[in-house]
Amino acid sequence: GQSLEQPSEVTAVEGAIVQINCTYQTSGFYGLSWYQQHDGGAPTFLSYNALDGLEETGRFSSFLSRSDSYGYLLLQELQMKDSASYFCAVRSSGNTPLVFGKGTRLSVIA
Amino acid sequence: DVKVTQSSRYLVKRTGEKVFLECVQDMDHENMFWYRQDPGLGLRLIYFSYDVKMKEKGDIPEGYSVSREKKERFSLILESASTNQTSMYLCASRQQAGELFFGEGSRLTVL
Repeated sequence: GQSLEQPSEVTAVEGAIVQINCTYQTSGFYGLSWYQQHDGGAPTFLSYNALDGLEETGRFSSFLSRSDSYGYLLLQELQMKDSASYFCAVRSSGNTPLVFGKGTRLSVIA
Repeated sequence: DVKVTQSSRYLVKRTGEKVFLECVQDMDHENMFWYRQDPGLGLRLIYFSYDVKMKEKGDIPEGYSVSREKKERFSLILESASTNQTSMYLCASRQQAGELFFGEGSRLTVL
């Protein structure tokens, strides 16, 4: 089976940096994805890591360590619009469905 | 612009009713998925399909069935709705191993 652990809630100040961690247990591993979901909206894709290291896309970065079964999403220069839920997700092989974590609700405060 | 459209944003049904949730994607994606989302439980996979007329059970298929008669359309069916099926239902599609594209969701309340 597969399971993922991520914090349920995180609060951070506007302009700051926040890191959302994700640990996973899988029978096979094909990559770690991150999705963002605003209240009332659809989840949208943020990033994907198949190999160890850091992937950067603007203010967002995602990191993976396969040996530690661990990854994180880093959000820099936080803005109020970043308040949302963030989900990590894994799959065991290329075409298998994604299994999602329970999500981390990020609140950005002034 | 890519799009996954779910036919109903909000539905209210009574216990025992048959419920159809429709999902259409315009991206010619092969893979389609139905998840349900509940507070504190994240997204849980109900059923998925890799091709027309193909279907696979996800993690929580009990009480649900699906239909995929055309590539662009994937329907979720609740044969006899129950109150514990009150939830947000999310449809998604993708091309092979690519990223998932989600619909806006269908919030179902079963009374």
